[in-house]
Amino acid sequence: QIVVTQEPSLTVSPGGTVTLTCASSTGAVTSVHYPNWFQQKPGQAPRSLIYSTRNKHSWTPARFSGSLLGGKAALTVSGVQPEDEADYYCLLYYSGGNVVFGGGTKLTVL
Amino acid sequence: EVQLVESGGDLVQPGGSLRLSCAASGFTFSPYAMHWVRQAPGKGLEYVSSISDDGDSPSYAHSVRGRFTISRDNSRNTLFLQMGSLRAEDTAVYYCAREDSDSSGYYIDLWGQGTMVTVSP
Repeated sequence: QIVVTQEPSLTVSPGGTVTLTCASSTGAVTSVHYPNWFQQKPGQAPRSLIYSTRNKHSWTPARFSGSLLGGKAALTVSGVQPEDEADYYCLLYYSGGNVVFGGGTKLTVL
Repeated sequence: EVQLVESGGDLVQPGGSLRLSCAASGFTFSPYAMHWVRQAPGKGLEYVSSISDDGDSPSYAHSVRGRFTISRDNSRNTLFLQMGSLRAEDTAVYYCAREDSDSSGYYIDLWGQGTMVTVSP
């Protein structure tokens, strides 16, 4: 069974920069995993932020960026705003149509 | 407005069945693969099932294989999830989600608001 691992929680100060990561139990995350990132606030449905490692949707704030970092997918938030406090999930695609979510990172802005 | 609206969630007894629906509007439904994703109370997102644009090639998470069946009716712009032999651990909010693709790869870009399924005596 494939496991995708994220930091359970991170804390950042307003205006700061934070990087969330997404690791695969199968080895290094690469572009062929088409990493997706989603934001979810309490009581709301998830919202898509980043796809295919680094591509932004039209609604994605510029302060969010995606990359590959040390064999993991990464989501960086630069100039964090209070409204960025949320849960963040990554999603990786695997061969055979398998899709696996990470366990999520709870981002606290404090 | 481009949206997905789930329905059919309910309280059901263990061993029971339920059918969820996801109505698409504001866009052409048929070209898109679709997913069901669930979230147990206080837990993370979990992939449940997906189906290709033409309804072939369904796939399922191990936890639901043999109990759940995904289908779609492109003439009615609707996605379905038939759930059977329900267990307490199936209790969750169930989201439908649209998958798109471009030259860079595959991605989920649109989510419904979710429908709650509670499995309890």
